[in-house]
Amino acid sequence: DTAVSQTPKYLVTQMGNDKSIKCEQNLGHDTMYWYKQDSKKFLKIMFSYNNKELIINETVPNRFSPKSPDKAHLNLHINSLELGDSAVYFCASSPVSGGRETQYFGPGTRLLVL
Amino acid sequence: AQKITQTQPGMFVQEKEAVTLDCTYDTSDPSYGLFWYKQPSSGEMIFLIYQGSYDQQNATEGRYSLNFQKARKSANLVISASQLGDSAMYFCAMRDKTDSSYKLIFGSGTRLLVRP
Repeated sequence: DTAVSQTPKYLVTQMGNDKSIKCEQNLGHDTMYWYKQDSKKFLKIMFSYNNKELIINETVPNRFSPKSPDKAHLNLHINSLELGDSAVYFCASSPVSGGRETQYFGPGTRLLVL
Repeated sequence: AQKITQTQPGMFVQEKEAVTLDCTYDTSDPSYGLFWYKQPSSGEMIFLIYQGSYDQQNATEGRYSLNFQKARKSANLVISASQLGDSAMYFCAMRDKTDSSYKLIFGSGTRLLVRP
């Protein structure tokens, strides 16, 4: 009964390639997020979607394009991968925005760009 | 701008003892929420405990408690009776409201090592 799942768990690819990471949550939450954790373990928000609508876009290069086909899914497509994109990408979800909602994280996708 | 500071990059604690992980925050918003997450070596982010700015009592969840001192803007995590499985990175985070969504702003983390 995985609450927030991501695929793939590991992704190794060459510079310049295009790749996608998928995220699904079965918690019935309305809001989903993408976070990036760099090599120094620092976590930073990238995007947030509320009911399929983009709410937060934190000055992320436009090579990164999130897509939410429905409120249970939030995918991340990355074009023209660069070495600096190597990181762990976490998907998260939370209930309707407002109040004491906790964000629940997926297991992370470890991306290595060679 | 909101900011979370964790000043302890690494901590050691003896098994069965208590340990306090420090977290200070900065915000001008009167309504905010503070979270602690645990990240073991396997990499997942595990929610531990939440404290709301208007909560009258300090939050507790099993062996985890939050020492919330609003005037000092600190929200330290206390782990009692440490276990070997508590060895992990611990992140303090603050909820930041943007339009109709809430993002989490994270501190830099504290790596805790529990010694047998």
